Amino acid sequence: DGGITQSPKYLFRKEGQNVTLSCEQNLNHDAMYWYRQDPGQGLRLIYYSQIVNDFQKGDIAEGYSVSREKKESFPLTVTSAQKNPTAFYLCASTPFPGTGNYGYTFGSGTRLTVV
Amino acid sequence: AQKVTQAQTEISVVEKEDVTLDCVYETRDTTYYLFWYKQPPSGELVFLIRRNSFDEQNEISGRYSWNFQKSTSSFNFTITASQVVDSAVYFCALKWSSTLGRLYFGRGTQLTVWP
Repeated sequence: DGGITQSPKYLFRKEGQNVTLSCEQNLNHDAMYWYRQDPGQGLRLIYYSQIVNDFQKGDIAEGYSVSREKKESFPLTVTSAQKNPTAFYLCASTPFPGTGNYGYTFGSGTRLTVV
Repeated sequence: AQKVTQAQTEISVVEKEDVTLDCVYETRDTTYYLFWYKQPPSGELVFLIRRNSFDEQNEISGRYSWNFQKSTSSFNFTITASQVVDSAVYFCALKWSSTLGRLYFGRGTQLTVWP
């Protein structure tokens, strides 16, 4: 079955460490997205990518980095520069980013906690 | 500026009651798309409905119905005869045709249905 796989489901990070969250899709979707969810804040866009080797900052990109070397993979690195990284992170994809009435597929999320 | 407003942070009802979740949005395009997602405790976002700006017909799917009114920029969601399994966070989201695929989410409404 096609879908998005996020791993790990739970992640603990010590202060000052970088961590990478994995997002893999086998839907052959062009565009991929990373959202951050905090209680009462809804989902806020961190980064997005429409094609391989290209990505754009979202609304809260500071302290995060991404890469898009393969169509199916869009890993997110939470760097030590992110001061408040504890949150729930969701990855999503869609077939064609700029046209049409296409829906989004979401992964099951990664819950990151700083210890 | 907030693009999507879900004024109800939390709603509690007793099973079999009807409940309406409100969503008000801001637009700058004439072509846009509206979505509702359900987020159960497991965390994954479940797609419920997508509506484009040219289709103002209300929709019913089982116990779910949606009322789209462009005149008031609202896209409200009603659950009839609520059940405990409806307990979740519900998100309304907006996509403009010019924003290259990104979704703007409201802050979500936590619905709790008590037995």
